[in-house]
Order: sequence, then C-alpha cells, then structure tokens
Amino acid sequence: GQNIDQPTEMTATEGAIVQINCTYQTSGFNGLFWYQQHAGEAPTFLSYNVLDGLEEKGRFSSFLSRSKGYSYLLLKELQMKDSASYLCAVLDSNYQLIWGAGTKLIIKP
Amino acid sequence: ETGVTQTPRHLVMGMTNKKSLKCEQHLGHNAMYWYKQSAKKPLELMFVYNFKEQTENNSVPSRFSPECPNSSHLFLHLHTLQPEDSALYLCASSHEQGSPSGYTFGSGTRLTVV
Repeated sequence: GQNIDQPTEMTATEGAIVQINCTYQTSGFNGLFWYQQHAGEAPTFLSYNVLDGLEEKGRFSSFLSRSKGYSYLLLKELQMKDSASYLCAVLDSNYQLIWGAGTKLIIKP
Repeated sequence: ETGVTQTPRHLVMGMTNKKSLKCEQHLGHNAMYWYKQSAKKPLELMFVYNFKEQTENNSVPSRFSPECPNSSHLFLHLHTLQPEDSALYLCASSHEQGSPSGYTFGSGTRLTVV
C-alpha cells in the first residue's frame, strides 16, 4: 500500500529552527508537496520538489532524497504565525496526490 | 481569499436532511476535487473532475453525490448522512489533474451531522 509518515506534533521556540520530516512509500513518484494549514483555514502551497536536493524559499526550505523516500521542511527564524499544521503529499505514478496526516507545529514564545 | 470559494462555511444537518455544498473557482483551472478532512487523518480524496468529466470516485458512499455543471463550479449533494460523516469538506482546483503547480484549496465547509 501507499504510505506517508510524518510526526503528529512538534513544539519549537520563537526565533529557533525546526525540521519536519516526511517519509513515503508510494507507487511511483512524480513530486512531493508541502502545504501549510492554519486552524480553520485552507491548506496553502509551500513547496514542490521533484529532483533531489534542497529548495530554499525565504525562511522555508524543502529537501528531497528520492532514493531514501525522504523529505524535510526546514523553517528558520520561527515566528508565532508559523504555528500551523504542515502537510506532506506525494504525486504517485497515476498523478494522484497521496497525503500524510499532517504535523501540528506549536511555537512557544 | 485563495481564489477558491466554498459555501457554506459551517453546516449542521440532521440525518434525514438534504443539503448541498458549493465550490467556485475563477482561476482558469480545469480540475476540481472534493476532499474529506477528519482530525489527525490524511486528506481523503472523494471525487475528481477533470475538464468537467468525473475521473475518480474513491469508493464514496452514494449518500454523497457530486455535480460539476462547468469547469468553475462544483457541488456536493448530501442526503441521509451519518454522524461519522461529520468532518471538514475541502474543495480544491488545479490547472489539470495531478498538476505539479499544486492545488489551490478553499477554506472548507465544517459539516456536523446530528
């Protein structure tokens, strides 16, 4: 079966750095997405990785290793507004998005 | 505002009621999706429409009935729901099915079945 694993919840301190991991086992691979979802709001697109390596976008970076079935989202200089759920999703060989259950990130002052 | 609008934002309905959820996008996208989001569970894909044609129906019970009259509008008709159907129902759109440019989501309808 297809599976996406990510931690259920993480806590970090304002101003610090946090890394949210995602491992996947899917039927084929056509890219990996990270989305951010604040409570009661729509998920919003953060990043898309299809090749190995690190993609940096401001305070957020996303890394992919296809051989290891592994990705992480790195958030730097954490702000209180970064408190949200972070969703990992993989586009499989049928171009279907397979979703993880999300990681709830709690930022403390 | 993401460009995908869902109404209503909140809905409470009895098990014998009939209601409809509405989704609208004017992003020029050709694919639209209904997802169910329950607490601490992955997003569950329910239905996909690509160029107005239904391409996916992931074993969804017949008490959920989708309708896509045009590429900008998507409905989810509900009837004789069960309490376990209470969840956040999200609509999304993309340029085409499985587009690497990502999906744009609406804010969802929080459905409570009593």
